[in-house]
Amino acid sequence: DTAVSQTPKYLVTQMGNDKSIKCEQNLGHDTMYWYKQDSKKFLKIMFSYNNKELIINETVPNRFSPKSPDKAHLNLHINSLELGDSAVYFCASSQGGDVDEQFFGPGTRLTVL
Amino acid sequence: GQNIDQPTEMTATEGAIVQINCTYQTSGFNGLFWYQQHAGEAPTFLSYNVLDGLEEKGRFSSFLSRSKGYSYLLLKELQMKDSASYLCAVRDGNYQLIWGAGTKLIIKP
Repeated sequence: DTAVSQTPKYLVTQMGNDKSIKCEQNLGHDTMYWYKQDSKKFLKIMFSYNNKELIINETVPNRFSPKSPDKAHLNLHINSLELGDSAVYFCASSQGGDVDEQFFGPGTRLTVL
Repeated sequence: GQNIDQPTEMTATEGAIVQINCTYQTSGFNGLFWYQQHAGEAPTFLSYNVLDGLEEKGRFSSFLSRSKGYSYLLLKELQMKDSASYLCAVRDGNYQLIWGAGTKLIIKP
């Protein structure tokens, strides 16, 4: 009964490769997010998405693209991986409302060699 | 620009009380959040403040002063399991969440 799940948990790959990280939430939430957390522990929003709108952080390279096959899934596809992409990527979801707290997945540690 | 400041690291003793401060400068304000993140794990929601004052939830309390751009998280009766990073986040005027870098709290016996 995991609320927000991500696969894989660990991903080690070579520079230049293309990879995807999958995210699923079973909370019935309307909005999903992708975050990057670097070695300094800053959480940086990359995308937020609901069935109406995709909001892209303008600092995110266009090598990163979210793909949502349905409301419960938001996958992250990365083209031409670079060394600087190494980080932990978190998926999250929220329902909206006054508080609109976010529920995070366990994270995917990406290492680019 | 938008900015959230928190101490990088704090140390406290088991059983004691610790206060983690957060100051912010954002374009608009629509609430402040505190999240807890244990090493190697995901952040989890702790508290939300949108009006001035103190919100208490068990051993944890969170305070907000909007006029001062200031919040604190108060942890009482510290336990070893409270060792974690505590992230302050502010929802700005565009309802975007701006995150601080987090405060690593070390609890000593």
